[in-house]
Amino acid sequence: QVQLQESGPGLVKPSGTLSLTCAVFGVSISSNNWWSWIRLPPGKGLEWIGEIYHSGSTNYNPSLKSRVTLSVDKSNNQVSLKVSSVTAADTATYYCARVHGGYEDRWGQGTQVTVSS
Amino acid sequence: DIVLTQTPLSSPVTLGQPASISCRSSQSLVHSDGNTYLSWLQQRPGQPPRLLIYKISNRFSGVPDRFSGGGAGTDFTLKISRVEAEDVGVYYCMQTTQLPLTFGQGTKVEIK
Repeated sequence: QVQLQESGPGLVKPSGTLSLTCAVFGVSISSNNWWSWIRLPPGKGLEWIGEIYHSGSTNYNPSLKSRVTLSVDKSNNQVSLKVSSVTAADTATYYCARVHGGYEDRWGQGTQVTVSS
Repeated sequence: DIVLTQTPLSSPVTLGQPASISCRSSQSLVHSDGNTYLSWLQQRPGQPPRLLIYKISNRFSGVPDRFSGGGAGTDFTLKISRVEAEDVGVYYCMQTTQLPLTFGQGTKVEIK
C-alpha cells in the first residue's frame, strides 16, 4: 500500500524558508512516477506547487517558481520542498501526492504551516 | 492557465437523494495523447483530498459505485446517486492535462 507522510516545522518566520519532507512508503521513489506538492490555504482552494521525477526533472507553478525548490532523496525514499521568502500568504496545509498515470492518485495526510513572527 | 469553474459552490442535499456538481473548463482538456485528464477529489472534514474519479469517468480503487463522472471536452459532471452521511465534504475537479495543474474552487456538500 502506497503511503506518503509530510513533515516539517509548523511555524516559519516571515522572510524565512519553509522546508518540508515527504516520506514515501510502499513504493520506490525511483519508480515511474512523478511526485507532486499541493497546498490548501485557509479558506481558499487547492493550489498546485510543482512536481519532481526521480531523475531530478521538475515542473513548477509559474506563480511560485522563483521561490520554490523541489528535490529527491533516493537513499531515504523521500522528496523535499523548499519555499523561500515566505509571507503570511504561504500559510497553508501542504500535501504531497503521487502522480500515477497522469493524475494524483495517492495523497499524504498533509502538514500545516503557519508563517508568523 | 486553465480555469476550472465549479457549480454550485454549495449543495445542501437530503440523505438518500442525488447530488450533481458541474465543472467547466476554460479550454479543452483533451491531451495530445487522446486522454482527458479530468479528476474529481473528495475532501472530508479534517482529511486530506482523496481521488474519486480519474480521466472523466473512471472510479478509483475503493470508491463506491454511487459516484460517477461524465462529460467531455470542457464540460464535466460528478454525480452522487444517493447521498450518504459520509459524503459530506468539499469536492474538487482537477485538470492534469496542461501545466500548471489547476483545480476548481470546490463544492461543499452538506446534509439538509
